[in-house]
Amino acid sequence: DQQVKQNSPSLSVQEGRISILNCDYTNSMFDYFLWYKKYPAEGPTFLISISSIKDKNEDGRFTVFLNKSAKHLSLHIVPSQPGDSAVYFCAASELFTGGGNKLTFGTGTQLKVEL
Amino acid sequence: IAGITQAPTSQILAAGRRMTLRCTQDMRHNAMYWYRQDLGLGLRLIHYSNTAGTTGKGEVPDGYSVSRANTDDFPLTLASAVPSQTSVYFCASSETGATGGYTFGSGTRLTVV
Repeated sequence: DQQVKQNSPSLSVQEGRISILNCDYTNSMFDYFLWYKKYPAEGPTFLISISSIKDKNEDGRFTVFLNKSAKHLSLHIVPSQPGDSAVYFCAASELFTGGGNKLTFGTGTQLKVEL
Repeated sequence: IAGITQAPTSQILAAGRRMTLRCTQDMRHNAMYWYRQDLGLGLRLIHYSNTAGTTGKGEVPDGYSVSRANTDDFPLTLASAVPSQTSVYFCASSETGATGGYTFGSGTRLTVV
């Protein structure tokens, strides 16, 4: 049972336009949500996060929105740049019993920003 | 450069053979993790360790074992490899309880034939 879902395997946008990547989750115990970016042959890198008590977090061109009632979050990239072309993973955090936190990842969305 | 080092970068392995994937971090993070990435399935947690001397099972632990003898090293062992273990394996680390996310290594691409 997939607790974190990214229903769009791919997304193509033009340079300068807005990219919107979506993510849905089912577990109400998740307390933090994160977005990771992954280039080919590299490990995922942390991009931006949001606490479950917030509804928006902004960092430069990247903004994450959280709608808890809908169990939905989205990542907005504006303006999109060719260097943003990568796979984007949504992840949700919950505490392990006994300490530490566990990240559950979605299946990823391949973003392609075209010139 | 601080971070996570994984070795080997890639490996082709005969089915039935034993293999250990190595992972070393120099950030003194308490927690470490092993994930596998498969097309259409995203990243799935294999095993984790919240601190040296302790380990736990993730979503897909069968066929894998780990150990955490010290803070820096977290090797993943496939006792008898099978083709379904063909995947890209990522090691990661974080501060215990940190919500700022994990630091990932560059991955090991393993092909079991």
